[in-house]
Amino acid sequence: GAVVSQHPSWVICKSGTSVKIECRSLDFQATTMFWYRQFPKQSLMLMATSNEGSKATYEQGVEKDKFLINHASLTLSTLTVTSAHPEDSSFYICSARDLGGSSYNEQFFGPGTRLTVL
Amino acid sequence: DAKTTQPNSMESNEEEPVHLPCNHSTISGTDYIHWYRQLPSQGPEYVIHGLTSNVNNRMASLAIAEDRKSSTLILHRATLRDAAVYYCILMGRGGSNYKLTFGKGTLLTVNP
Repeated sequence: GAVVSQHPSWVICKSGTSVKIECRSLDFQATTMFWYRQFPKQSLMLMATSNEGSKATYEQGVEKDKFLINHASLTLSTLTVTSAHPEDSSFYICSARDLGGSSYNEQFFGPGTRLTVL
Repeated sequence: DAKTTQPNSMESNEEEPVHLPCNHSTISGTDYIHWYRQLPSQGPEYVIHGLTSNVNNRMASLAIAEDRKSSTLILHRATLRDAAVYYCILMGRGGSNYKLTFGKGTLLTVNP
């Protein structure tokens, strides 16, 4: 199946700094990628839909100025957590669909990035 | 969005079959039934999906009720590596409906 990678796998930062998380589709092109956040012992919550070459679509309650999404190419989407605070500490996961492959109904998920804000 | 209801947790013994139920009484005619699972500290992975007919793949089988208001994910021989949270998700066709909305899922414990 298609592979999605994330970098970094974990990051620790100080409160007030910004952190960028990368999501890459390694062997397919993804016009649409999705960003999720997962707190401990909770389910995944969709944050936004990232569209290549256009603005991201944010879910209700997600601050677009705090969680900046850029989808500059068909294989890369980035999520920047700006002015991070301890409450932003979470597991961030991206996913993508391979519309050109035989598995177009599947979403392929990255391994996740664990963010800890001190 | 149509919602799904799953038991919070289930337990199984290794090498025995596991039947994970999901209720989706408000499913629409064009909603696909998708199953994903999430192993600890990993991103979710696709398991199987279907529309009306039962489906089989190398990972599992999906049995869909005739009225489509419920479905069952079947793991034929559970292994310790199958211990995960299993999510039953309805997904419509086309456009923004391709986004997945995760519920709480079922935590499957597999005993050796």
